[in-house]
Amino acid sequence: GQSLEQPSEVTAVEGAIVQINCTYQTSGFYGLSWYQQHDGGAPTFLSYNALDGLEETGRFSSFLSRSDSYGYLLLQELQMKDSASYFCAVRPSGGYNKLIFGAGTRLAVHP
Amino acid sequence: DTAVSQTPKYLVTQMGNDKSIKCEQNLGHDTMYWYKQDSKKFLKIMFSYNNKELIINETVPNRFSPKSPDKAHLNLHINSLELGDSAVYFCASSQGSKRLSTDTQYFGPGTRLTVL
Repeated sequence: GQSLEQPSEVTAVEGAIVQINCTYQTSGFYGLSWYQQHDGGAPTFLSYNALDGLEETGRFSSFLSRSDSYGYLLLQELQMKDSASYFCAVRPSGGYNKLIFGAGTRLAVHP
Repeated sequence: DTAVSQTPKYLVTQMGNDKSIKCEQNLGHDTMYWYKQDSKKFLKIMFSYNNKELIINETVPNRFSPKSPDKAHLNLHINSLELGDSAVYFCASSQGSKRLSTDTQYFGPGTRLTVL
């Protein structure tokens, strides 16, 4: 089976950098995704790592290390609008395309 | 213009009733999903269809019955609603890409179901 662990809450100030970690236990997966969800909104795709290393998309970067069963999402130059929940998710291998989500990390950005 | 749409956005009903939620995507995707998000914001997959064929059924009670009339639509019918069914239900779609490619899932706005 698969399980993913993330911190439940993270707090930071505007302009800062924050890292949200995700550790996982899985029997095999294609890649690690990150989704953002604002209160009352839908999850939206942020980033995907199929291979080890860093993927950068603007202010957001995501990292994967399969040997350490670990990934993280890095948010730079934090803005108030980044206050949201962030979910890591794996695509298990060997089957159809479904996502297994972590419990989510609620990020609060303060002035 | 909306990529994935769901109706209704809110649904308030009594225990024991039967209700349906509809979902449509205009992205031309082959695969559609239903997810349930509980009060603790935990997102769990329920069903997935690929080209109208059921491919994932994650041990959901058989009171829940998905139906896909065509690959752009995926509906969810729930019989004999229970208090524990209260949640936000999200529809999503993806191309259904294989292996290492991202296969981004696009989520609808959600349907907040409250069972009284």
